[in-house]
Amino acid sequence: NAGVTQTPKFRILKIGQSMTLQCAQDMNHNYMYWYRQDPGMGLKLIYYSVGAGITDKGEVPNGYNVSRSTTEDFPLRLELAAPSQTSVYFCATSGRGGSNQPQHFGDGTRLSIL
Amino acid sequence: GQQLNQSPQSMFIQEGEDVSMNCTSSSIFNTWLWYKQDPGEGPVLLIALYKAGELTSNGRLTAQFGITRKDSFLNISASIPSDVGIYFCAGQLGAQKLVFGQGTRLTINP
Repeated sequence: NAGVTQTPKFRILKIGQSMTLQCAQDMNHNYMYWYRQDPGMGLKLIYYSVGAGITDKGEVPNGYNVSRSTTEDFPLRLELAAPSQTSVYFCATSGRGGSNQPQHFGDGTRLSIL
Repeated sequence: GQQLNQSPQSMFIQEGEDVSMNCTSSSIFNTWLWYKQDPGEGPVLLIALYKAGELTSNGRLTAQFGITRKDSFLNISASIPSDVGIYFCAGQLGAQKLVFGQGTRLTINP
């Protein structure tokens, strides 16, 4: 059972570089989410998607972009990496059937920007 | 934005002791969730609460959804070493968006 798969697990970027964090799920879940977790803090929502072709901003979307061309994949793109984006990024999914579906998380991507 | 106040921020206990932590909010949530996060991993769901006043157990864990829908607590009975980790409460909004507390770091002395 793969569940939610995030790649890469670790990455170091230089300021101004771009990269895409990948998130794939095999549970046929409609809803997908991207969070960031700064040291000693809870998770904050960056972007989310309620289905293929539909995305919306969360609490901290600045500096990020997302796309949802398929149900399975929800990549997160950083266009111009900044030190403030050093964080651990978590992808999560939840299933069909309304609002009472708990979210399931991947193991995270640890991103450092130097 | 909405915020959850989770307390305590950290706990240091002896193995076998009971643990209690709670979350409060100025906003009403439809669902309260409790997650545990181990180092280097993503949060794992422990308990989900869907109705005000609901009391739910999962093994040694018990959680309640406050009557006002603005608070929740999590109790762990007879703690064991594998309970070590960070516990997060989360309130769920529309479109299933989650707002997380700051976490409670649990350390257990054997």
